[in-house]
Amino acid sequence: KAGVTQTPRYLIKTRGQQVTLSCSPISGHRSVSWYQQTPGQGLQFLFEYFSETQRNKGNFPGRFSGRQFSNSRSEMNVSTLELGDSALYLCASSLVLRRENTEAFFGQGTRLTVV
Amino acid sequence: KQEVTQIPAALSVPEGENLVLNCSFTDSAIYNLQWFRQDPGKGLTSLLLIQSSQREQTSGRLNASLDKSSGRSTLYIAASQPGDSATYLCALLSGGQNFVFGPGTRLSVLP
Repeated sequence: KAGVTQTPRYLIKTRGQQVTLSCSPISGHRSVSWYQQTPGQGLQFLFEYFSETQRNKGNFPGRFSGRQFSNSRSEMNVSTLELGDSALYLCASSLVLRRENTEAFFGQGTRLTVV
Repeated sequence: KQEVTQIPAALSVPEGENLVLNCSFTDSAIYNLQWFRQDPGKGLTSLLLIQSSQREQTSGRLNASLDKSSGRSTLYIAASQPGDSATYLCALLSGGQNFVFGPGTRLSVLP
């Protein structure tokens, strides 16, 4: 059973550019969440999608957006990149049956460097 | 708002020691708690999931306990090995649709 796949693994972008990251969840998982990880702030929640609908959003500016497709694959987009957006972006998928047994499985992440 | 802390922030032990990592949270109304390990620059690997109705879970040399009333969870690692060196994070699922993470404990097991 394939795990969560994130592409690309590494990206280098220039300030002001935009970037799109992709996440393919485990087959059958309909919930996809995105997190940003930095040395100073730790893991911070960006947003969560379930069946193509954004159910929850973290405290990030509108430059951060996402979407989910009918096959549960998800993309996140960051526009007008800033140096502070440099981080490891992690995607997690979950098979949501009951909240109590919702387990998150993470991909290897995309390392974004903004120069 | 759920807040999660982990103590200690870093730990260095000789191989073979048993050790305990601590996770504390402020809101006891949780659905579950999950322990992860993260190797440098990599994603998170799920270790154990404890549902809110459970008190503990075990997997191999790992045992995690949950005490909701005191807002605490512990991860016990028996007979530590150099391969256990990593950052260990706890995460809680409570009111929202997202996990809230602690800052992690960086573990070094010396051969």
